[in-house]
Amino acid sequence: ETGVTQTPRHLVMGMTNKKSLKCEQHLGHNAMYWYKQSAKKPLELMFVYNFKEQTENNSVPSRFSPECPNSSHLFLHLHTLQPEDSALYLCASSPQPGLAITYEQYFGPGTRLTVT
Amino acid sequence: GQQVMQIPQYQHVQEGEDFTTYCNSSTTLSNIQWYKQRPGGHPVFLIQLVKSGEVKKQKRLTFQFGEAKKNSSLHITATQTTDVGTYFCAGQNSGGSNYKLTFGKGTLLTVNP
Repeated sequence: ETGVTQTPRHLVMGMTNKKSLKCEQHLGHNAMYWYKQSAKKPLELMFVYNFKEQTENNSVPSRFSPECPNSSHLFLHLHTLQPEDSALYLCASSPQPGLAITYEQYFGPGTRLTVT
Repeated sequence: GQQVMQIPQYQHVQEGEDFTTYCNSSTTLSNIQWYKQRPGGHPVFLIQLVKSGEVKKQKRLTFQFGEAKKNSSLHITATQTTDVGTYFCAGQNSGGSNYKLTFGKGTLLTVNP
């Protein structure tokens, strides 16, 4: 158990639906991340939050909208997705990065998203 | 942008054989991390290397960071069926964001008992 939980674990949605993914970490970390994992592609960083402030947006389409109400919770709001958005969406957390170094990341189990 | 290449993409071994995966970055790294993802699971942190030429061991796993801090390797001695999974390297670009890790595509290891 990594201390990072994600819900739902599986989600099937149509292209016109709106849904949200939830992530919660119980590790006392200050940084939280959303990644997309597609078959035959490397893990892609989507968003980073540190102390609730967004510090990275890796050119993600606006149909993905993150929200971080506090350091323990992270959401990914989805709307008008495309079939190519089908993937495993992983949340991770880490201690706040140091001056010149980032620390290990703890991943949740992921949400397997299928867009029909 | 920064690219991290990992080879091989797949490796199938007999139990007891050794295994090595290699990671090469297009840019100098400040540090590199290794993760393991079991089939159907999520990435789990294994280790972080920071110093040039650093070598770290975890039981049967040996991790190396190149002198130029642009490459790394993971070697497993005498593989076991519990070693099955995908091994990812992830590098932080030197002088880059402290939050951003660039992951390789991973090496999928399968072990025949």
